[in-house]
Amino acid sequence: GQQVMQIPQYQHVQEGEDFTTYCNSSTTLSNIQWYKQRPGGHPVFLIQLVKSGEVKKQKRLTFQFGEAKKNSSLHITATQTTDVGTYFCAGGGNKLVFGAGTILRVKS
Amino acid sequence: KAGVTQTPRYLIKTRGQQVTLSCSPISGHRSVSWYQQTPGQGLQFLFEYFSETQRNKGNFPGRFSGRQFSNSRSEMNVSTLELGDSALYLCASSSQDLSEAFFGQGTRLTVV
Repeated sequence: GQQVMQIPQYQHVQEGEDFTTYCNSSTTLSNIQWYKQRPGGHPVFLIQLVKSGEVKKQKRLTFQFGEAKKNSSLHITATQTTDVGTYFCAGGGNKLVFGAGTILRVKS
Repeated sequence: KAGVTQTPRYLIKTRGQQVTLSCSPISGHRSVSWYQQTPGQGLQFLFEYFSETQRNKGNFPGRFSGRQFSNSRSEMNVSTLELGDSALYLCASSSQDLSEAFFGQGTRLTVV
C-alpha cells in the first residue's frame, strides 16, 4: 500500500541555522501537504502542493514538490525558537497518508 | 466557524475495559479521519468515514471500530483495552477528498 517516509526523525539545530526535512512516497501522489504540531498541540495545516516541481514559500519556509510527484521537502531558513515542533508531510493518493514526522528542536 | 471538537480531552481506563471517543467535525465537512499518535510513531491512520460509510481503514486490530452519524459526527470505540492503546487519539475533518485536514485537540487515553 501507499507509504510515506520522512527523514530525519529528529533534528537539533542552533538558532539561526537552516533546517530541512524530506518526504518520500512509494507511489505517485496527487498532492502533498505539510503540517506543524507544536509540543502539546495538534497538527496544523501549513500548505498544499499539487503541481510537479512546484515551489512555494511562506516567509522563512520553502516547500518543494518533486518533478515525479513522489518526494517533497520543507526548508526553514534561519530557524527561530518559535519553529520548534514536529513537521509532518502527508501524501495524497487514494487517501491522505502521513509521514512519521521530523521533530525539530532549536537551541538558543 | 467552530473547529473540530473532540471529547473527552483526557481519559483513564483499566485494561480490559472499552472506551468511546467522540468527534464533531467542522460544519459542512463530511469526511472524518481518526489517527493514533504515540511518541516516535507519528500519526497512525485508523480509519476514515465519509457520509456514514467507512471509506478507508488502517492496519489496526478489530478491537478498534468507528462509525459516523448522519450529522457527520463520528465516534471511535476501542474494546478490551490494552496498555499499548495508551496514546493521543486525533480526529480530523475535511471538506472534500485529499483537501486540508483540520485536527481536533485530541483525546489523551491512558490505560492502566
